[in-house]
Amino acid sequence: KQEVTQIPAALSVPEGENLVLNCSFTDSAIYNLQWFRQDPGKGLTSLLLIQSSQREQTSGRLNASLDKSSGRSTLYIAASQPGDSATYLCAVKDNAGNMLTFGGGTRLMVKP
Amino acid sequence: NAGVMQNPRHLVRRRGQEARLRCSPMKGHSHVYWYRQLPEEGLKFMVYLQKENIIDESGMPKERFSAEFPKEGPSILRIQQVVRGDSAAYFCASSPRSMQPQHFGDGTRLSIL
Repeated sequence: KQEVTQIPAALSVPEGENLVLNCSFTDSAIYNLQWFRQDPGKGLTSLLLIQSSQREQTSGRLNASLDKSSGRSTLYIAASQPGDSATYLCAVKDNAGNMLTFGGGTRLMVKP
Repeated sequence: NAGVMQNPRHLVRRRGQEARLRCSPMKGHSHVYWYRQLPEEGLKFMVYLQKENIIDESGMPKERFSAEFPKEGPSILRIQQVVRGDSAAYFCASSPRSMQPQHFGDGTRLSIL
């Protein structure tokens, strides 16, 4: 059974810092991995999707990497801004099924 | 092009009542997924449906919960005889085909008094 873990659970940084969020998964037979953003009381916004054959994806100040063999992904946020404050969720889709398995999330607070 | 629409956004029920949550997928999407987010927890998969078929209900509690996706109309997640532990945010996602990226709605926040 796939399990996804995100570290740290919460992070508070001053504006302008570069930061890294970590995601690990137990079963490397994944189809893809996705990073989402969730604002309080809101739904999920997809940030980046990495197929199992890819090593990384970039969008603006965000860069996500995938090391399937070690069961790890990182989300790098450059030059953080207060508007980046949200919960970031990592989700894995296995080869075997259509469901997404989510980590517990990292709550990010960027202080002005 | 409207996204995944869920209603109601907020639903309050007393213990023992029934809760019906609706999800209209994106246009052209025939695959629907329901997830539950308990307070202070991550999202957990509940059920995956295609039109008129339940494909995978491995994450759905065996009692009181049911889901459908009829030929016409939205997908419905139904919870009978609700209990306090059912209080959660319920999210629906849709995709055009299996294994395609899922697009999420804004969720229904269910509160049980």
